[in-house]
Amino acid sequence: AQSVTQLGSHVSVSEGALVLLRCNYSSSVPPYLFWYVQYPNQGLQLLLKYTTGATLVKGINGFEAEFKKSETSFHLTKPSAHMSDAAEYFCAVIESGAGSYQLTFGKGTKLSVIP
Amino acid sequence: SQTIHQWPATLVQPVGSPLSLECTVEGTSNPNLYWYRQAAGRGLQLLFYSVGIGQISSEVPQNLSASRPQDRQFILSSKKLLLSDSGFYLCAWSRQDSYEQYFGPGTRLTVT
Repeated sequence: AQSVTQLGSHVSVSEGALVLLRCNYSSSVPPYLFWYVQYPNQGLQLLLKYTTGATLVKGINGFEAEFKKSETSFHLTKPSAHMSDAAEYFCAVIESGAGSYQLTFGKGTKLSVIP
Repeated sequence: SQTIHQWPATLVQPVGSPLSLECTVEGTSNPNLYWYRQAAGRGLQLLFYSVGIGQISSEVPQNLSASRPQDRQFILSSKKLLLSDSGFYLCAWSRQDSYEQYFGPGTRLTVT
């Protein structure tokens, strides 16, 4: 069965500093991986996804993530944090070819940006 | 373009009362539909998903139920709410051939 672990339920960074949100997954088959962002009292918005091909994927709002099979990781990064990046971020995995479209989500990481 | 609607946005209900939350999708046909519950610090829990009208799969045993009376309508119900049903309920949809899920704005349910 697939699972996702997000290290750190709360991360604080200074405005302009590097953002690094960690995600490790467990999957018995090649995974598809996603990062979603959630602003307070809103739904989730897809930031980026990895399915196949290039392991470094770029998303919206300057975020990117790299799929590292050897480390079973899919960490989310952004070179310079903005105040508007303050939100909760969720990593999710789905097993490709399983005939199912059920995402498994991590518990989320709340990002605070300090001015 | 596709849009997904949920209502109501917020709801306060007493224990033991019934529940009906509605989700509708516009701009697509035959979508997969999903209900999630989000409790503080616990991430998202998939409650139900549907691949077609009248086809509902339940992921977690509970006092909630789901129905899909129309292609783009997904309803979450309960006959008697429990305190533990409080949370943020999110509906999502995806295309039949895609893993990407698109989420609605959510309903904040407080059971008192």
